[in-house]
Amino acid sequence: EAGVVQSPRYKIIEKKQPVAFWCNPISGHNTLYWYLQNLGQGPELLIRYENEEAVDDSQLPKDRFSAERLKGVDSTLKIQPAELGDSAVYLCASSFNRGQGRTGELFFGEGSRLTVL
Amino acid sequence: AQSVTQLGSHVSVSEGALVLLRCNYSSSVPPYLFWYVQYPNQGLQLLLKYTTGATLVKGINGFEAEFKKSETSFHLTKPSAHMSDAAEYFCAVMNYGGSQGNLIFGKGTKLSVKP
Repeated sequence: EAGVVQSPRYKIIEKKQPVAFWCNPISGHNTLYWYLQNLGQGPELLIRYENEEAVDDSQLPKDRFSAERLKGVDSTLKIQPAELGDSAVYLCASSFNRGQGRTGELFFGEGSRLTVL
Repeated sequence: AQSVTQLGSHVSVSEGALVLLRCNYSSSVPPYLFWYVQYPNQGLQLLLKYTTGATLVKGINGFEAEFKKSETSFHLTKPSAHMSDAAEYFCAVMNYGGSQGNLIFGKGTKLSVKP
């Protein structure tokens, strides 16, 4: 079974440029997460989707970040315009949650490493 | 609010020695606790988790952790380190009762294993 797939793995851009990251979750997983991981830090949640609905985007900087999950499967995270401080690894994860029965077992992709110059 | 503190950003052990990675949590409700491992240039992978029941939980690759409510701890141990255990380890708590089950991660502990 294929795992969570993310692309691109690496991206280098100049500040003020736009960038987009794509995530394909594990088939059948209804919950999708985007996490931000700064160097030497643990992952921090940016947004969580239940199917196609964003149920928690409280930590997403909405002035420059946007995300979508069309048809409740793939997802795209966009930054426009990028700033120097956005250099980090963007992790996508998925899980299957039935109702309120959350297991906490997330399956992570390998991440997209962004460098903003 | 829930939080996790991992003591020691870097731990170094010799091959065959005991591995002990420390994690303390803060939670106003009974927590669900997790350890995840991240190998270089890879995503995180679940090692083990505590939800309810037995407080000593066993995970993959010979790791185990014990939930101690009185100490608000969930330390990760392995009796004998192997070179392949070198990775970064993250403790996490799930905010089950509040905001619908988001994982809150600690800052991580990088484990080095010396030959």
